[in-house]
Amino acid sequence: GAVVSQHPSWVICKSGTSVKIECRSLDFQATTMFWYRQFPKQSLMLMATSNEGSKATYEQGVEKDKFLINHASLTLSTLTVTSAHPEDSSFYICSAREGAYNEKLFFGSGTQLSVL
Amino acid sequence: TQLLEQSPQFLSIQEGENLTVYCNSSSVFSSLQWYRQEPGEGPVLLVTVVTGGEVKKLKRLTFQFGDARKDSSLHITAAQPGDTGLYLCAGRFGTAGGGNKLTFGTGTQLKVEL
Repeated sequence: GAVVSQHPSWVICKSGTSVKIECRSLDFQATTMFWYRQFPKQSLMLMATSNEGSKATYEQGVEKDKFLINHASLTLSTLTVTSAHPEDSSFYICSAREGAYNEKLFFGSGTQLSVL
Repeated sequence: TQLLEQSPQFLSIQEGENLTVYCNSSSVFSSLQWYRQEPGEGPVLLVTVVTGGEVKKLKRLTFQFGDARKDSSLHITAAQPGDTGLYLCAGRFGTAGGGNKLTFGTGTQLKVEL
């Protein structure tokens, strides 16, 4: 089955630094990728939709200048948390869709970010 | 903004018991999915339902889509410790075809004890 690789699995950083998270589709081309944020034992909250070759669409309340998304190729999307603060500590998950009209999403294994 | 309410929020049961998790919305879904997520992992798709009244079975799991496509349920028979996890419903609203984003439910944390 299709695989989405997310890296790193966990990262600890100092407050004020930037962190980049990668999401790769390994055996299919993902025209659309999604980035979610999840707090412990809570649901996934969609942060943004990333389309290859165009600007990401951010959900209401998500700062686009803080959470930079780049989807430069059909197999890679990156999320950069800029000037991270402790309140940015969370579990970040990406998902990818093959084709524009495929309802099945493939999820990465997530990245646990801890900002000290 | 569409909301998907799941109930119960938390459920702790003994091995062998049956349980049902509910997912409700005030809007009509074009399709609905159920996922299971373990700590530190991404969600794993269990099933997709599209037609009102549809029932799908996956071993001991039975999924039902409401006739009006506004609600869904997940029933687990003879729960086992391996069923422990966070169960999430996720729905698409509007026209079918995958062009819409997926909205996740509030989640049900299930713990099955020996």
